[in-house]
Amino acid sequence: QVQLVESGGGVVQPGGSLRLSCAASGFSFSSSGMHWVRQAPGKGLEWVAFLPYDGSKKYYADSVKGRFTISRDNSKNTLYLQMNSLSTDDTAVYYCAKDCLRNWNYGSSFDYWGHGTLVTVSS
Amino acid sequence: DIQMTQSPSSLSASVGDRVTITCRASQGISNYLAWYQQKPGKVPKLLIYAASTLQSGVPSRFSGSGSGTDFTLTISSLQPEDVATYYCQKYNSAPFTFGQGTKLEIK
Repeated sequence: QVQLVESGGGVVQPGGSLRLSCAASGFSFSSSGMHWVRQAPGKGLEWVAFLPYDGSKKYYADSVKGRFTISRDNSKNTLYLQMNSLSTDDTAVYYCAKDCLRNWNYGSSFDYWGHGTLVTVSS
Repeated sequence: DIQMTQSPSSLSASVGDRVTITCRASQGISNYLAWYQQKPGKVPKLLIYAASTLQSGVPSRFSGSGSGTDFTLTISSLQPEDVATYYCQKYNSAPFTFGQGTKLEIK
């Protein structure tokens, strides 16, 4: 069965950096676009970034553009999110999510989600 | 960027009621619209994609409709396990924006 397991969250000071990982199994990772979505405490869902299956282009929310970098290692079935220049506004649970469509570069709905990893930015 | 606006923000209804949640896009998105359910303390779950296609395993009391800018999620007969926050999301192109959510409670 499909499994997405995030890791790498924790407490970091404002201005600091953190790298999140999402280990995927149970599906063809190299054929699947992948997303990061976050949810601040008590708030709604915010899409963060998308990386197509072939890594051809990277897409970011304006709120993280220039600070966050999405990447993937298909040999390890792992998705990453490098987060730099963190602020308190970045405090959230970060989910990785699998795109529904295989071999599709433009994104679709998200059919599987991980359980998330909590990032807390605080001094 | 296209904004997604849901209404109402919260809703209280009785078991067995028909419940409707609306999602409006600030520009046309054809049928590139998904609905998710997030129960308290749980991970979001895909309910509907392509505006009206039920995801596998989702109960048939859930349905979606709409195209262009106006979309609807309907629960035909509300059940206690449907207590959750519901989100719409556009996916015609990045950014893949979510609506602000509709919190559904049982009266």
